[in-house]
Amino acid sequence: KAGVTQTPRYLIKTRGQQVTLSCSPISGHRSVSWYQQTPGQGLQFLFEYFSETQRNKGNFPGRFSGRQFSNSRSEMNVSTLELGDSALYLCASSLGPQGGNQPQHFGDGTRLSIL
Amino acid sequence: AQTVTQSQPEMSVQEAETVTLSCTYDTSESDYYLFWYKQPPSRQMILVIRQEAYKQQNATENRFSVNFQKAAKSFSLKISDSQLGDAAMYFCAFGSSNTGKLIFGQGTTLQVKP
Repeated sequence: KAGVTQTPRYLIKTRGQQVTLSCSPISGHRSVSWYQQTPGQGLQFLFEYFSETQRNKGNFPGRFSGRQFSNSRSEMNVSTLELGDSALYLCASSLGPQGGNQPQHFGDGTRLSIL
Repeated sequence: AQTVTQSQPEMSVQEAETVTLSCTYDTSESDYYLFWYKQPPSRQMILVIRQEAYKQQNATENRFSVNFQKAAKSFSLKISDSQLGDAAMYFCAFGSSNTGKLIFGQGTTLQVKP
């Protein structure tokens, strides 16, 4: 069974640009969650999608948005990039909604660098 | 709001010895789940062990076991017979059945010395 696939693995952008990251969950998983990981802030929850609906959202500005498609694949978009957006963005999928006993299965992440 | 605290940013252990990583959490809920995740230097995070709050028995997975103290809101991870491959960052996480959120601690970097 294929794991969680995130593309691209690495991305370099400049300030002011926008970026779209993609996440394909494990087959059959309906929940996709996104996290931002930085050395200073640790692992911070961005949002969770379950059956194409945003179920939960973390404390991030509106520049961060996402969506989930009918095949459960998810995209995350960041507009007007800032230097502080440089981070490892992790996607995780689970069978059921986040918060329950369903473990999260993580992808390898997308390393985003802002110049 | 729930919080998860890992008070040990870094730990080290000698190969074959035992180490315990600490985690405390704060919640007013009675129904929740707790997890330990491992993130090796290759960076893919994987689940190590999970515990249902309603179960009194501590979860065990091979060399990994937890000490779950519900009243004290403590959830420590014990790694027995440490191996070089155990070197990683370990995250404690709290799963709320109420809010549907998963909250991670700041992580503990474990070094295993040969």
